[in-house]
Amino acid sequence: DGGITQSPKYLFRKEGQNVTLSCEQNLNHDAMYWYRQDPGQGLRLIYYSQIVNDFQKGDIAEGYSVSREKKESFPLTVTSAQKNPTAFYLCASSSRTGLNTGELFFGEGSRLTVL
Amino acid sequence: AQSVTQLGSHVSVSEGALVLLRCNYSSSVPPYLFWYVQYPNQGLQLLLKYTSAATLVKGINGFEAEFKKSETSFHLTKPSAHMSDAAEYFCAAGGGFGAGTTVTVRA
Repeated sequence: DGGITQSPKYLFRKEGQNVTLSCEQNLNHDAMYWYRQDPGQGLRLIYYSQIVNDFQKGDIAEGYSVSREKKESFPLTVTSAQKNPTAFYLCASSSRTGLNTGELFFGEGSRLTVL
Repeated sequence: AQSVTQLGSHVSVSEGALVLLRCNYSSSVPPYLFWYVQYPNQGLQLLLKYTSAATLVKGINGFEAEFKKSETSFHLTKPSAHMSDAAEYFCAAGGGFGAGTTVTVRA
């Protein structure tokens, strides 16, 4: 089955620790995205990538980092510099590379809680 | 990025009643428009999308949306609510998402 796989689904972290969220897709999509979801705020774009080895900052990139070494993988690292990292993180992909010009396919999400 | 406004963070309807979720976007140029649905602790899935082929767009699960350029709106409707429609709904346009509307369905 084609789709997007995020892991882990739940993650707990102590303050001051970096954590990496995995996102893998087998849809052969060029574009991949990371969003953060907080109650009542909708989805906010963290980073996006339209092609391998290239990525752009979204609206709330501070405290986060990404890499895109392979077409199918777009991991997100939440660093200790992120002041309020507790949130639900969603990875998405699209066959169209213009920002939000095509249908987004989402993973099941990763819920990060900082203790 | 587009500014997307969803009017009403919560909507409560009776089973069998009309569901109406409102979405307005900020640009006068028709952007790419989408409605997504999210069930608890899951990702979003596409309900429908505006492709400029028709102003009335039909989606999955009996939902439809009408694009009105003069009102910069893309409201989502379903004639008869079902218990399984209880979820959060997001409107998206040209790079941005609305804040979401949570739908509850009363028996």
